[in-house]
Amino acid sequence: KAGVTQTPRYLIKTRGQQVTLSCSPISGHRSVSWYQQTPGQGLQFLFEYFSETQRNKGNFPGRFSGRQFSNSRSEMNVSTLELGDSALYLCASSPDRPYEQYFGPGTRLTVT
Amino acid sequence: SQQGEEDPQALSIQEGENATMNCSYKTSINNLQWYRQNSGRGLVHLILIRSNEREKHSGRLRVTLDTSKKSSSLLITASRAADTASYFCATVLIASYGKLTFGQGTILTVHP
Repeated sequence: KAGVTQTPRYLIKTRGQQVTLSCSPISGHRSVSWYQQTPGQGLQFLFEYFSETQRNKGNFPGRFSGRQFSNSRSEMNVSTLELGDSALYLCASSPDRPYEQYFGPGTRLTVT
Repeated sequence: SQQGEEDPQALSIQEGENATMNCSYKTSINNLQWYRQNSGRGLVHLILIRSNEREKHSGRLRVTLDTSKKSSSLLITASRAADTASYFCATVLIASYGKLTFGQGTILTVHP
């Protein structure tokens, strides 16, 4: 099976702009989770979607949002970008809880 | 906030030696997982141990879990240069959907 894919791989945005990141899970996986990784805060959970419903959410401001489509593909959106949003954004898919997660290569977002 | 604390933060060994990493966590868990990350890329799942298990093996990996002490250890035997990476423990809380709570990680360097 093909692995988790994320697009784009690299992105440079300006403060105040918004950005949409995309994730395609492994075929048959209905759970998609998103994480932010920074040198200072490490790996932090953003949210998880299962069958188009958000089941779990981390402690991030409302500027961070996501959605999942009927084919399990997921997108996350960050509005009004701040410098501190520069990070590696990782998407992971899973057959369901509480199984292991399969991660994509990540999207490296740089906010200038 | 991070659920887990990992120890040591960095570990440097020679090829052929064993590497041991420790992880402690704060609240009751459903399972604990270990992941590897190479140079800021996506994470690779290594092993999952459930809360009712005490030890698990996978190839050169051995994981133990002590729920009374809320701690786990990952042992990599006969290390290779290719094992050089960051290693993270991640916990899944009871009734928590799709959310991994990561420790800060251990940077392992294996010298040829």
